[in-house]
Amino acid sequence: GQNIDQPTEMTATEGAIVQINCTYQTSGFNGLFWYQQHAGEAPTFLSYNVLDGLEEKGRFSSFLSRSKGYSYLLLKELQMKDSASYLCAVRYSSGGSFIPTFGRGTSLIVHP
Amino acid sequence: GAVVSQHPSWVICKSGTSVKIECRSLDFQATTMFWYRQFPKQSLMLMATSNEGSKATYEQGVEKDKFLINHASLTLSTLTVTSAHPEDSSFYICSARDRRGRTDTQYFGPGTRLTVL
Repeated sequence: GQNIDQPTEMTATEGAIVQINCTYQTSGFNGLFWYQQHAGEAPTFLSYNVLDGLEEKGRFSSFLSRSKGYSYLLLKELQMKDSASYLCAVRYSSGGSFIPTFGRGTSLIVHP
Repeated sequence: GAVVSQHPSWVICKSGTSVKIECRSLDFQATTMFWYRQFPKQSLMLMATSNEGSKATYEQGVEKDKFLINHASLTLSTLTVTSAHPEDSSFYICSARDRRGRTDTQYFGPGTRLTVL
């Protein structure tokens, strides 16, 4: 399978900035997604990167380096509601199909 | 973002019965949909890829006779859990691939929580 690594848990303070890293194998790479998932709910889409560089969307930014097999999700001005699991997902091409593979998720805890 | 719906949002059934879960893309056509299951505090596990008009592609270890997938139209895929047993109790989530314009991303439905007694 394709290995996707991200930290299991992170903690941060309300109002601060946090960066969640994700590394993956590069063979057959076809795009990287970040999702937010609150407990008991389905994931919600945050960002999609297919080219190198930084994509900014409000308080959330996502960076990709394809040559390094590396991405990060940057959350600014943290709010308590940002406490959730953040999933890094990589899409690979395989035999004409495009298979999305998810990391185990990073549980972010934001405290006052 | 795009909207994907799932029905039902939760279901409780007796062991041995079959349960059908629907996944719909409401504002776009999805030639490809994915079915996942997720156990508490674990990551999403891809069960199968559903392609409109063709047979689904199942991941290794997923019984295709037990988890029947039908992608009959460009906006609807169904997952039927046949002869459900308590170990099938899980959170089932579908997602649909949105390839409109420059977009090529994947949106999730709200999930279906299945409890088999």
